[in-house]
Amino acid sequence: EPEVTQTPSHQVTQMGQEVILRCVPISNHLYFYWYRQILGQKVEFLVSFYNNEISEKSEIFDDQFSVERPDGSNFTLKIRSTKLEDSAMYFCASTPMGYGYTFGSGTRLTVV
Amino acid sequence: AQKITQTQPGMFVQEKEAVTLDCTYDTSDQSYGLFWYKQPSSGEMIFLIYQGSYDEQNATEGRYSLNFQKARKSANLVISASQLGDSAMYFCAMREGAEYGNKLVFGAGTILRVKS
Repeated sequence: EPEVTQTPSHQVTQMGQEVILRCVPISNHLYFYWYRQILGQKVEFLVSFYNNEISEKSEIFDDQFSVERPDGSNFTLKIRSTKLEDSAMYFCASTPMGYGYTFGSGTRLTVV
Repeated sequence: AQKITQTQPGMFVQEKEAVTLDCTYDTSDQSYGLFWYKQPSSGEMIFLIYQGSYDEQNATEGRYSLNFQKARKSANLVISASQLGDSAMYFCAMREGAEYGNKLVFGAGTILRVKS
């Protein structure tokens, strides 16, 4: 069964450093998303991406965040200058038509 | 107002019994989709079941069924014949509107523990 692949599974970074989280969505999917989940809390929407541009973003997705689909397969989330409160599980998701959202297994980001 | 409300922070169920996890939603859209995901302790988000707002029949997928009551805006998940492996966090989510790419909005989740 096709899956969304996220790398790395765990990342530890120093506060103030830049991190890039990588995702390979399912190949025929058209819509891509990043969500985050602070430990034990609800899953929060960050950004959606369609046709090579951001279609929607949340209040969380400020100037420190950016997304890219550099080569038609990878979908990346960059955090420019990480803060302690960015520590969370980050999920990438994709869907072809909006009724089958497939999530990756997540990247656990720890900012120290 | 919360878009998705899951009022049960935690539930216990005896193995082999059925359990219902509650979910109510709030939307003024006529077209929307409701989803349930399972998150085991390993952290991944596993899709369980989907119900479209125009679907007249309740969705079923194996041991999972969705009790969809549109007038009450509820979309409860029913797990029949619970198994130990069903112990996990369960999230209800909604996609509002007719646009295919709209985001999912999640509830706070319910932790389910299955007892042997």
